[in-house]
Amino acid sequence: LAKTTQPISMDSYEGQEVNITCSHNNIATNDYITWYQQFPSQGPRFIIQGYKTKVTNEVASLFIPADRKSSTLSLPRVSLSDTAVYYCLVGLNTNAGKSTFGDGTTLTVKP
Amino acid sequence: DTGVSQDPRHKITKRGQNVTFRCDPISEHNRLYWYRQTLGQGPEFLTYFQNEAQLEKSRLLSDRFSAERPKGSFSTLEIQRTEQGDSAMYLCASSLVDRQETQYFGPGTRLLVL
Repeated sequence: LAKTTQPISMDSYEGQEVNITCSHNNIATNDYITWYQQFPSQGPRFIIQGYKTKVTNEVASLFIPADRKSSTLSLPRVSLSDTAVYYCLVGLNTNAGKSTFGDGTTLTVKP
Repeated sequence: DTGVSQDPRHKITKRGQNVTFRCDPISEHNRLYWYRQTLGQGPEFLTYFQNEAQLEKSRLLSDRFSAERPKGSFSTLEIQRTEQGDSAMYLCASSLVDRQETQYFGPGTRLLVL
């Protein structure tokens, strides 16, 4: 499984755009990049997934450069309710289906 | 609400007691996963099922832990002779086989062993 590196924490203010970058230098050719969000006392929630270039949905955008060794989750105009832990996952052992979440990035949005 | 439910949501038990947790996945999902999460850390994989078959168990899953998915629908996770170190959030997730990167998590069962 590709190892990922994310900042431990980030602070932002309401209305700002937040970009969280994840490094995954040993990503494999078939690996997808997936981001999850987790609020306290809840299970993680799928946010977005991509393979290359840019993916956008109603919640976020995911930017993946050509070498795919990093990715950036972009949250437009954050609100207080976006305060959560964000996990970057790269690939899965397709024989096992297991995921390695790491410790994620704790985003704190301030008023 | 992701469609994955877990019961109970909270469990307090004394050291040495047995506990059992239940997970009901999204009905059409054939893969079901169990994770454990302690405070300040990300979820750690424990085991997963494809239909009723348990295909892999993590080394984290000691002999005191057992999981079943008897009919390929709901699953149970039992911990025997609980220890204080078992205190954690136990998370269940489900997915389709061909979309295993997209897992839908339940709300978790928080276990406290006194």
